[in-house]
Amino acid sequence: GENVEQHPSTLSVQEGDSAVIKCTYSDSASNYFPWYKQELGKRPQLIIDIRSNVGEKKDQRIAVTLNKTAKHFSLHITETQPEDSAVYFCAAGEGGGADGLTFGKGTHLIIQP
Amino acid sequence: GAVVSQHPSRVICKSGTSVKIECRSLDFQATTMFWYRQFPKKSLMLMATSNEGSKATYEQGVEKDKFLINHASLTLSTLTVTSAHPEDSSFYICSATSDGNTIYFGEGSWLTVV
Repeated sequence: GENVEQHPSTLSVQEGDSAVIKCTYSDSASNYFPWYKQELGKRPQLIIDIRSNVGEKKDQRIAVTLNKTAKHFSLHITETQPEDSAVYFCAAGEGGGADGLTFGKGTHLIIQP
Repeated sequence: GAVVSQHPSRVICKSGTSVKIECRSLDFQATTMFWYRQFPKKSLMLMATSNEGSKATYEQGVEKDKFLINHASLTLSTLTVTSAHPEDSSFYICSATSDGNTIYFGEGSWLTVV
């Protein structure tokens, strides 16, 4: 089955700086890579996703890059703000996610004022 | 956007009893629903995938007789934790999709077994 590794587990950055979270996956059949933001006890919120036919996607301060050959994808958040503080999960799945997602262990992002 | 609702949001039950959690898609027909389990400060672990009208597909290590999943209609899937034990206490969360392109998560259900 799929195995998703996520690093770092905790990331502390100064407000206004950029944050980068990296994930690797093992199953070359995976073709859907979403990123979720989760606050304690709440549902995961999709913040951005990328499919395997695209190498990079950007939405305002958030961008995701995908390297299919190396089987890794990264989340980039620029101009970080206090409200960006949360746990972020990467995930990978086949069939565009219709076959279920395998999540990384999560990154606790802390934005220092 | 599409809404997936879970009920109850919090439940406390006694050891040995069963508890049912419902997952509803409110404004779309969910051909596939997923059940995840999340321990505090841990990641989401896929438990099973259910398609309407057919038996759920369980992930390795998940006891199908303990975690009963029913997907009787295109808008409702239920997870029943049978003979609950304290170690079953966790955050259970469902997600649903109609086309496989967009996945919507429910609010999650906190289960505490005492």
